[in-house]
Amino acid sequence: GESVGLHLPTLSVQEGDNSIINCAYSNSASDYFIWYKQESGKGPQFIIDIRSNMDKRQGQRVTVLLNKTVKHLSLQIAATQPGDSAVYFCAENPLYGGATNKLIFGTGTLLAVQP
Amino acid sequence: KAGVTQTPRYLIKTRGQQVTLSCSPISGHRSVSWYQQTPGQGLQFLFEYFSETQRNKGNFPGRFSGRQFSNSRSEMNVSTLELGDSALYLCASKWRQGGYEAFFGQGTRLTVV
Repeated sequence: GESVGLHLPTLSVQEGDNSIINCAYSNSASDYFIWYKQESGKGPQFIIDIRSNMDKRQGQRVTVLLNKTVKHLSLQIAATQPGDSAVYFCAENPLYGGATNKLIFGTGTLLAVQP
Repeated sequence: KAGVTQTPRYLIKTRGQQVTLSCSPISGHRSVSWYQQTPGQGLQFLFEYFSETQRNKGNFPGRFSGRQFSNSRSEMNVSTLELGDSALYLCASKWRQGGYEAFFGQGTRLTVV
């Protein structure tokens, strides 16, 4: 498959600190990127998205940065809370000669928030 | 507005059997995609449907199939189950194709014994 499933990297932060989760994507033709949060026993939950014609987008306590030159995405979470503890996935929507809903997911990062 | 509904939530099957999983997308959404999630391979795309037509398929054997009905509900089927098919199967719905937000269901946890 296209998703690489290795052991999950972990980011451990203190409550109240800012978190930065990084992701490298694979397809330079991808035009749409999404960050998802997945809590144990649940499906992925949409956090924020960004299109390839932007390099930054802000939501509530979250910011996504896109660097197309090095094919890199990052998710910044401000004032991290215990409820933010989860696995975070980046996903890209590649162009395949037309519209597609196929998402290619990164391996995921486990965010552990210490109280 | 109700979210994406997947049934059943949990399933235990024996090797060699077949299984059918169901997904009801958000009302008004016409696009449904399926993903397999395992600890070893992560989230992998299975297939996507739009207006009852399969638009794209991932790198899975022919034992994995799916369909979409006129009301946008979708089913996926796995025949001749193998132990390695044990996974969380996730369905995502979108309003339309292209770069729009996809909403995921809770998934169906399939265990093959």
